[in-house]
Amino acid sequence: ETGVTQTPRHLVMGMTNKKSLKCEQHLGHNAMYWYKQSAKKPLELMFVYSLEERVENNSVPSRFSPECPNSSHLFLHLHTLQPEDSALYLCASSQGRGQETQYFGPGTRLLVL
Amino acid sequence: GQNIDQPTEMTATEGAIVQINCTYQTSGFNGLFWYQQHAGEAPTFLSYNVLDGLEEKGRFSSFLSRSKGYSYLLLKELQMKDSASYLCAVPNPFSGGYNKLIFGAGTRLAVHP
Repeated sequence: ETGVTQTPRHLVMGMTNKKSLKCEQHLGHNAMYWYKQSAKKPLELMFVYSLEERVENNSVPSRFSPECPNSSHLFLHLHTLQPEDSALYLCASSQGRGQETQYFGPGTRLLVL
Repeated sequence: GQNIDQPTEMTATEGAIVQINCTYQTSGFNGLFWYQQHAGEAPTFLSYNVLDGLEEKGRFSSFLSRSKGYSYLLLKELQMKDSASYLCAVPNPFSGGYNKLIFGAGTRLAVHP
């Protein structure tokens, strides 16, 4: 138990669907992150929120839309995805003071048909 | 830019010792992280090195040479449960009050009886 939870754990969606991934951290951290992990590729940073403000957007397509309503919750809204978006989506959090450890959630395994 | 290289796969025998190497190229340096990730699970923090030398933590040790851009993770007395991917990561030194980690593709370790 790392203190970071994600729901759902598995998701299958069609290309025309709209769905949302949820992440919650119980560690009192100020920074939260979305990563994409595809098979045999490095973890790719997608978005970073620091104190509920988006501070990084790594050229992610607009079909991925993050939301951070407070420092404990992070969402990733998905719409009109492509099959190549199928991957493991990981959420992480850190204290938000610099080069400190990130704590990861278990991820959402997404399959786009 | 930043680049991280680590072997894709390694195999080892239960009870043995294995060394997983990581080389990196960064425009600045703020330490190096090692994470363990079992299949379908969250990456979990193993170690953080910012100074040269070996840091030991139970069966796992991590070594850093900043002048050579090189690190290794040493796993002793291997157990079957050590079968996992091992991820090397370095922070982007310019990311401010959060930790923008750049990950290697990971080394998948298989431990055999």
